[in-house]
Amino acid sequence: AQKITQTQPGMFVQEKEAVTLDCTYDTSDPSYGLFWYKQPSSGEMIFLIYQGSYDQQNATEGRYSLNFQKARKSANLVISASQLGDSAMYFCAMREAPHQGQNFVFGPGTRLSVLP
Amino acid sequence: NAGVTQTPKFQVLKTGQSMTLQCAQDMNHNSMYWYRQDPGMGLRLIYYSASEGTTDKGEVPNGYNVSRLNKREFSLRLESAAPSQTSVYFCASSPGSRRLRELFFGSGTQLSVL
Repeated sequence: AQKITQTQPGMFVQEKEAVTLDCTYDTSDPSYGLFWYKQPSSGEMIFLIYQGSYDQQNATEGRYSLNFQKARKSANLVISASQLGDSAMYFCAMREAPHQGQNFVFGPGTRLSVLP
Repeated sequence: NAGVTQTPKFQVLKTGQSMTLQCAQDMNHNSMYWYRQDPGMGLRLIYYSASEGTTDKGEVPNGYNVSRLNKREFSLRLESAAPSQTSVYFCASSPGSRRLRELFFGSGTQLSVL
């Protein structure tokens, strides 16, 4: 069963605008972590932001914020004030509690293109 | 400040050849992982090692073997390469234990099997 769903294969955003990348997840474990990674055309995987299932507040890291809606099992990434350098693939990932093998599961990704 | 180092960066094999992808981390992490990335499918876990001395199958283990040589090193072996194994391979590590923290990735290996 698909544990991480990213329904937007591709997205376009105008430079300086905000954009939301969707991610829904499926788990029955009460303890889990949610992550977003960026993969530019150069290929490396860059960690952006983390949200723990017990965290009371939504995570923020600079221009990145995570809109965490636990009841809906949603963990959308919001990028504010988009820049040309934000053009990349973005992956949502989940890690369930250690007793389940410390496995990270990734979604299929969303390709973001920032237009000048 | 090397982090996770994997070699080689590029490799071309003929069907049936064997090769080993090497991975080493210098962050004293307990857990290490091998993923493959194919277009439209994200990253899929091949094998992982939760701690030194243990390895477990991931989502797509067929055709691969791994060795956790020590705490630093985790290698991936293709015994008889097939065109379906053409992919980009990533090694990753994480602190492990009870901390649900992020993966640290190597720079990837682009493998083509002809």
